Amino acid sequence: QAQLVQSGAAVEKPGSSVKVSCKASGDTFMKHGIAWVRQAPGEGFEWMGGIIPILGTPNYAQKFQGRLTITRDEASSTTFMELTSLRSDDTAVYFCGTLRVEVDIIGVEDWGQGTLVTVSS
Amino acid sequence: QSILTQPPSASGAPGQRVTISCSGSSSDIGRSTVNWYQHLPGSAPKLLIYSNMQRPSGVPDRFSGSKSGTSASLAINGLQSDDEAHYFCAAWDVRLNGPVFGGGTKLTVL
Repeated sequence: QAQLVQSGAAVEKPGSSVKVSCKASGDTFMKHGIAWVRQAPGEGFEWMGGIIPILGTPNYAQKFQGRLTITRDEASSTTFMELTSLRSDDTAVYFCGTLRVEVDIIGVEDWGQGTLVTVSS
Repeated sequence: QSILTQPPSASGAPGQRVTISCSGSSSDIGRSTVNWYQHLPGSAPKLLIYSNMQRPSGVPDRFSGSKSGTSASLAINGLQSDDEAHYFCAAWDVRLNGPVFGGGTKLTVL
């Protein structure tokens, strides 16, 4: 089971940006992609985007195009999710997870512990 | 509003069997496999079932999954008190090129 450790909770003002990190074990980082999913209070989970090493470039949900950037740092085995132009409805718990797109499994396998991002003035 | 539809709640007594449904469309469940997760709020979700009916190592065989057409189900046999959690389904959406999720079902063990 992969270990994913996310950065701590953040409180941000409307219009600002937030950057959440997700550190994976070295083996996990090189073998699997990373997905970012969020859960707003009282809501279900929502796919934001992900990055698969073999493809190289991130894939973003259309809803977040232009506001979301996912990057990888191989030196630290860390994936970053940056969301800009924050609004109050971006208040949510943000999760990273290992993204498997393979014949025998497709979707998020192991999850990080979640990072609460609160957008408030 | 979640893409996949689940009942908001389910319940059963210890030892009983409970099933949770997940309904989707031809763009998601109808064209992909289904995963099920167990989630205790405040913690990381845990993969229970992948590829419709496969169990990861360590998941008891009390948990089983099935899929038919654009719907899927999770069954839990021999309910235990520590099964009390939220359960949600997921499937790959070919239009989104990413997973879509159910709204989650809160399971109460009576």
